Amino acid sequence: DQQVKQNSPSLSVQEGRISILNCDYTNSMFDYFLWYKKYPAEGPTFLISISSIKDKNEDGRFTVFLNKSAKHLSLHIVPSQPGDSAVYFCAASAEYGNKLVFGAGTILRVKS
Amino acid sequence: GAGVSQSPSNKVTEKGKDVELRCDPISGHTALYWYRQSLGQGLEFLIYFQGNSAPDKSGLPSDRFSAERTGGSVSTLTIQRTQQEDSAVYLCASSPGITGGARFFGPGTRLTVL
Repeated sequence: DQQVKQNSPSLSVQEGRISILNCDYTNSMFDYFLWYKKYPAEGPTFLISISSIKDKNEDGRFTVFLNKSAKHLSLHIVPSQPGDSAVYFCAASAEYGNKLVFGAGTILRVKS
Repeated sequence: GAGVSQSPSNKVTEKGKDVELRCDPISGHTALYWYRQSLGQGLEFLIYFQGNSAPDKSGLPSDRFSAERTGGSVSTLTIQRTQQEDSAVYLCASSPGITGGARFFGPGTRLTVL
């Protein structure tokens, strides 16, 4: 039972354009969501988070949108850069960020 | 560096042997987390610590898995009688507070059970 789903295994975007990564969840108890990026042979790097009391959070080029009624969140990267090429994971928690449930990841490739 | 470190970086062992994986969190971080990533999968929660206490051990896959944290710092994940399905990258993370999720991950230990 996948509680967090990233339905796009991969995404290719031109440098300078917007990258939109999507994530769906099924557990209505989730109240905290995070996005990470991961390069090969490295641990994940935290990017941005959002709690369920908000519908948007922004940090530099990264914006996360949360639609609770649709149980959907998305990460927007604007503008996309070649260094953003990595695997992106969304994660959700019903316990203030502890016991994260991760999606399977989306491979982002930014072409220069 | 001041990041999370893990040792060993790679471990190859034979089925049935015990292994110990070590995590050195960022100094002063209260929360410590263990996750693992099997090939082609997302990360799977194993256990977390607040200080030296583990409020929830439900993520540990079986009673062959145990973890401890001492002095509010170093943590050890022990797998007894390893099985081939234990092969994965084991990731440790730490965070300054007890909420907000895993903020700083280490590079992981790649465990291969032959």
